[in-house]
Amino acid sequence: QQQVKQSPQSLIVQKGGISIINCAYENTAFDYFPWYQQFPGKGPALLIAIRPDVSEKKEGRFTISFNKSAKQFSLHIMDSQPGDSATYFCAATGTGGGNKLTFGTGTQLKVEL
Amino acid sequence: EPEVTQTPSHQVTQMGQEVILRCVPISNHLYFYWYRQILGQKVEFLVSFYNNEISEKSEIFDDQFSVERPDGSNFTLKIRSTKLEDSAMYFCASSDQGYYGYTFGSGTRLTVV
Repeated sequence: QQQVKQSPQSLIVQKGGISIINCAYENTAFDYFPWYQQFPGKGPALLIAIRPDVSEKKEGRFTISFNKSAKQFSLHIMDSQPGDSATYFCAATGTGGGNKLTFGTGTQLKVEL
Repeated sequence: EPEVTQTPSHQVTQMGQEVILRCVPISNHLYFYWYRQILGQKVEFLVSFYNNEISEKSEIFDDQFSVERPDGSNFTLKIRSTKLEDSAMYFCASSDQGYYGYTFGSGTRLTVV
């Protein structure tokens, strides 16, 4: 019940296209859903996050869509650029859990010219 | 931008040896964490630390692991007797508001031979 399932495992998108990564969770106690971007040899860096009281959050080219009833959330990267090529992790956490983040399995995104 | 600093960046150790991984969290943060990432896999929670004690620990964090905040700036992870399967990237993180605003360090790559 603590798992966060993420798909796809890898994704190739053309420059200027839309990248979409999906996550699903089981634990209804989760109430904060961040997305992290990780470049090789670096730690995860917070990209954008959402709480379940809103259905969408947008920051620049990055948008999170959240479906509370389906327990699913997704990351959309608009106008994808080669510099966006990285591994993306969704995560989830909630109160009473020592603030631990439960990560998805990651999506390796490659944006081609 | 404030950073979480981890040293060393890479450590090679022989099986059965003790290792200490060091972290300097962001100075005004109160919550500290260790995560690990086995090559190509997801990031996994090890332990959270607040108010000089462990808040939560995962099943991975067995008696071979310990954490310490020896002074006002450092946060360490000790593995008493390393095993081959401890080979991974270890990330330190800190936050100032519980699970909001996590900042990860760049990691220490531990190789056990």
